[in-house]
Order: sequence, then structure tokens, then C-alpha cells
Amino acid sequence: QKEVEQDPGPLSVPEGAIVSLNCTYSNSAFQYFMWYRQYSRKGPELLMYTYSSGNKEDGRFTAQVDKSSKYISLFIRDSQPSDSATYLCALDSGAGSYQLTFGKGTKLSVIP
Amino acid sequence: DAGVIQSPRHEVTEMGQEVTLRCKPISGHDYLFWYRQTMMRGLELLIYFNNNVPIDDSGMPEDRFSAKMPNASFSTLKIQPSEPRDSAVYFCASSLNRGQTQYFGPGTRLLVL
Repeated sequence: QKEVEQDPGPLSVPEGAIVSLNCTYSNSAFQYFMWYRQYSRKGPELLMYTYSSGNKEDGRFTAQVDKSSKYISLFIRDSQPSDSATYLCALDSGAGSYQLTFGKGTKLSVIP
Repeated sequence: DAGVIQSPRHEVTEMGQEVTLRCKPISGHDYLFWYRQTMMRGLELLIYFNNNVPIDDSGMPEDRFSAKMPNASFSTLKIQPSEPRDSAVYFCASSLNRGQTQYFGPGTRLLVL
């Protein structure tokens, strides 16, 4: 079983829709959870950063972590064409070697 | 700040040739990371440095890969000899401190024929 599973999509939604992106993981040692956004032919950029279970909101974006289920989500409200990108979850145990474990990413297209 | 700078942006080479990728991290950042991204395997950490010292190179696929950081503003990733399976996008990233946001460069697209 891979450490982090993420549906690659592609996911296509109309402008204004609510988008739900998800990752599951197997290692209970992960303590820090991140979402990166990667535009085509660009490097990833950090979008959201959360620690432990619960929700974190930033504008139209909400990150949700359920450690008991080993499940993390990113919700995008009122999606815009500019949100079209690949979204990668990244997890960190926070102990020992400083390494992020990335999901493979979900490609999202928001259609005007 | 200009952000993380990588060169070249694109590289096409033939199997067996030496390839050198270059990275200039954001000034003042103590950590530098080299990643490789492919469709099959996603984004993988190859090696990272702290204060110019390699800390963990367990992600380096084999001895054909080597990385150096001679000073705080420059790092190289070398592949010698290159093979077609090395074709990927290679990213360099830097961060200010452990646990802080990693800032990625634009990547180098490598194609080995």
C-alpha cells in the first residue's frame, strides 16, 4: 500500500462549483498536512498548511484533516477558472528526517 | 526576491551523456531540496541540504546521481551517465527553517533520448 493515495483525476467542474479534493494515507506518524497547487509547467506552491485534525479556512479554501480515518480534504468554494491547476497533498511526520511525502496530484479544470 | 532560480529550464540529451542541473535558492534560506517529478511516481525527494551539508540522500536513485552545494547560493544535481528513464522534471526548493514553507523553482525538464 502506498503511503499517500490521491485520485489523479482529471476533474472538470463548471465555474462557481464547490470542489472537493482528497487524499488518504496509511502512516499514522504524519502530523502536518499541506496542500500545494501547481500550475502547468510551474513549480508547486504552498496553498494550505494544517496541523492535527480539524478544519482550517482561508478565503475560498478549506482544508480538513481527519486523523482517525487518515483522510484529508481540500474544498474550494465558488471555483474560478484561475483555480485550474494540479493540487498535491503533502504530509510530514515532523520528526527525524525532514521529508514531505507527496500525493501524485489531482488535475482540476474549472470551465467558464 | 527573484525566488528559486533553476537552469537550464529545458535539457535534451542523449543516453550516456552527463547532465548538470543548477539551482540558486532564495537568499537566507537554510534548507535546499532536490525533487524529481514524473507521471508514474509523482513528486519524489531526492536529497536535501541544511547549511550546505547533505542531510538525507536516501532518495537518490543510484550512484549515477550526485548533488553538491558548495556554498549557500548554489547547488548542482549531476547525472552521469544519463539514461532515458531519468527523463523527468527536476525541481529545486528552499526553505528558511525546518518546518517552514518550501518554495519551489520553475523546474528543469530533462529528456534523455
